[in-house]
Amino acid sequence: NAGVTQTPKFRILKIGQSMTLQCTQDMNHNYMYWYRQDPGMGLKLIYYSVGAGITDKGEVPNGYNVSRSTTEDFPLRLELAAPSQTSVYFCASSGQRSTDTQYFGPGTRLTVL
Amino acid sequence: GQQLNQSPQSMFIQEGEDVSMNCTSSSIFNTWLWYKQDPGEGPVLLIALYKAGELTSNGRLTAQFGITRKDSFLNISASIPSDVGIYFCAGQLYGGATNKLIFGTGTLLAVQP
Repeated sequence: NAGVTQTPKFRILKIGQSMTLQCTQDMNHNYMYWYRQDPGMGLKLIYYSVGAGITDKGEVPNGYNVSRSTTEDFPLRLELAAPSQTSVYFCASSGQRSTDTQYFGPGTRLTVL
Repeated sequence: GQQLNQSPQSMFIQEGEDVSMNCTSSSIFNTWLWYKQDPGEGPVLLIALYKAGELTSNGRLTAQFGITRKDSFLNISASIPSDVGIYFCAGQLYGGATNKLIFGTGTLLAVQP
């Protein structure tokens, strides 16, 4: 199993550009999550999904959109990039039991100039 | 947004020393988790605690779930250079349609050989 994979690893955007961060998991997990991590801070939840076709906002959803058309994929879309979205983005997945561990991908480092 | 208070922010110790870090919250949690993040990687789960008062060990790591359910600590004994990294606590809330994690701000650990 590859676990949770994310692409790209790094990206630089200009203000106003759009991009999609890809996330795929091969563990057949129902739950998937997107977090952002700002320097010196913990992770904050952007969006999450409890299954294909179901998504919901987390703590910091503004400026982002998600979709979940399959169990495996959970892409995160930035429509109009802003400098405040410069961060490291982590995707995670887990089973649906409360005791199931969240497994994290390696992250995407995004800089908006 | 809600975030846990984690201390200390950073620690610089000699190899062989013991380390202690803790997390406190104004809210109660059903589960406390401790993660380690290596540079350029996503967080990896170290220990999960599911009951108030629970004391759990994983090798040289020991963690406890506070009786009030509002705090947790992590101890690392006889530190080694590969313990270097950022340690995060996370509180988990069950119920509803997801098992959301609230992360602490992290403790940076540096170990001098």
